[in-house]
Amino acid sequence: NAGVMQNPRHLVRRRGQEARLRCSPMKGHSHVYWYRQLPEEGLKFMVYLQKENIIDESGMPKERFSAEFPKEGPSILRIQQVVRGDSAAYFCASFFPPGQRESSYGYTFGSGTRLTVV
Amino acid sequence: AQKITQTQPGMFVQEKEAVTLDCTYDTSDPSYGLFWYKQPSSGEMIFLIYQGSYDQQNATEGRYSLNFQKARKSANLVISASQLGDSAMYFCAMRERNSGNTPLVFGKGTRLSVIA
Repeated sequence: NAGVMQNPRHLVRRRGQEARLRCSPMKGHSHVYWYRQLPEEGLKFMVYLQKENIIDESGMPKERFSAEFPKEGPSILRIQQVVRGDSAAYFCASFFPPGQRESSYGYTFGSGTRLTVV
Repeated sequence: AQKITQTQPGMFVQEKEAVTLDCTYDTSDPSYGLFWYKQPSSGEMIFLIYQGSYDQQNATEGRYSLNFQKARKSANLVISASQLGDSAMYFCAMRERNSGNTPLVFGKGTRLSVIA
């Protein structure tokens, strides 16, 4: 899974600050998902993006959270005015576009960004 | 309602023994995919094995096999000849409408500890 690059690996923010998490998908992948993992929990879907489009954001909190995947550059998950409850691991996953054989298989996850809000 | 249920919060297994991690799922969609991921203490998510709902045979990948019982809606992971490096969290996940643009739904995971 080294092909999906997430940075930073660890991020500490004070309450009220902004957090920006970056994800560069594997070469050839144009679709990314963001997931959140709370301590001792499984991953929960947040948002699905392709280049310049948000396809599904049904898992995103309505306030303070936003995501983008510009034509050039990484996908960004942005959390404004962070609170302690935002402390979690945030994972990005990428995969081949639907319809290609490889998309039947497992998504490729990045190593995650561990956000700690103090 | 839980779509993926992993009933074993923690499991212990002796090194070199086989272990089965349970997973049941809930869907009315005839087309779905089932996945298992390993998450070691370092935190990354490692894809292990995939089973499509229409696949006739159980999936196998090296020491991993998936015991797929469609009528019972179960997709248990079997790890043969356990190794110390297998100690990790294991997550079962499902994708409905088995295409790349539907999100994976994860279970809460099972923590496996391999004992020397």
